[in-house]
Amino acid sequence: EAGVTQFPSHSVIEKGQTVTLRCDPISGHDNLYWYRRVMGKEIKFLLHFVKESKQDESGMPNNRFLAERTGGTYSTLKVQPAELEDSGVYFCASSPDRAYEQYFGPGTRLTVT
Amino acid sequence: AQKITQTQPGMFVQEKEAVTLDCTYDTSDQSYGLFWYKQPSSGEMIFLIYQGSYDEQNATEGRYSLNFQKARKSANLVISASQLGDSAMYFCAPDLEKLTFGTGTRLTIIP
Repeated sequence: EAGVTQFPSHSVIEKGQTVTLRCDPISGHDNLYWYRRVMGKEIKFLLHFVKESKQDESGMPNNRFLAERTGGTYSTLKVQPAELEDSGVYFCASSPDRAYEQYFGPGTRLTVT
Repeated sequence: AQKITQTQPGMFVQEKEAVTLDCTYDTSDQSYGLFWYKQPSSGEMIFLIYQGSYDEQNATEGRYSLNFQKARKSANLVISASQLGDSAMYFCAPDLEKLTFGTGTRLTIIP
């Protein structure tokens, strides 16, 4: 069974540009989560989808971040415009049920210069 | 905001010894489970062990065991017979309203 995949693995962009990160959860997992780890800080929750609906987006830092999950399958996280402080590793995770363990993707390392 | 504390930012342990990674947290929630994840240098987050809120016995998973003391709000991970491949960052994550990660402990196993 394929695990959670994320694309790209690494993205380097200039301040002010736009970047879109993609996450493909494990097939059949209704729950999809985004997290990020900014350099030197702990992993922080960003948001949680149940199918295509945003269940909890309390961790989204500001309106420069937009997450979507079209059709309840893959999800995208767009940062527009990117700022220097957005640099970090963005993880996606999925689970079949809210109470189950979350399976993490390999992460996307975002570097904003 | 809930606070998760892993008091050992870094640990060095001799191969084959047991190691205990500490985790304490602050929450008023009564019903929650707790996860531990491992992050090797390659960067992926690997699930290690989970204990549910009402599980009476401490969880074990191979060489990993959880010492979950809800009354004390602590959940220490014990790794027995450590191996070189155990060198990684370890994150405690109580499953509160959302999965909330601690700051992590970097474990280095010395040959």
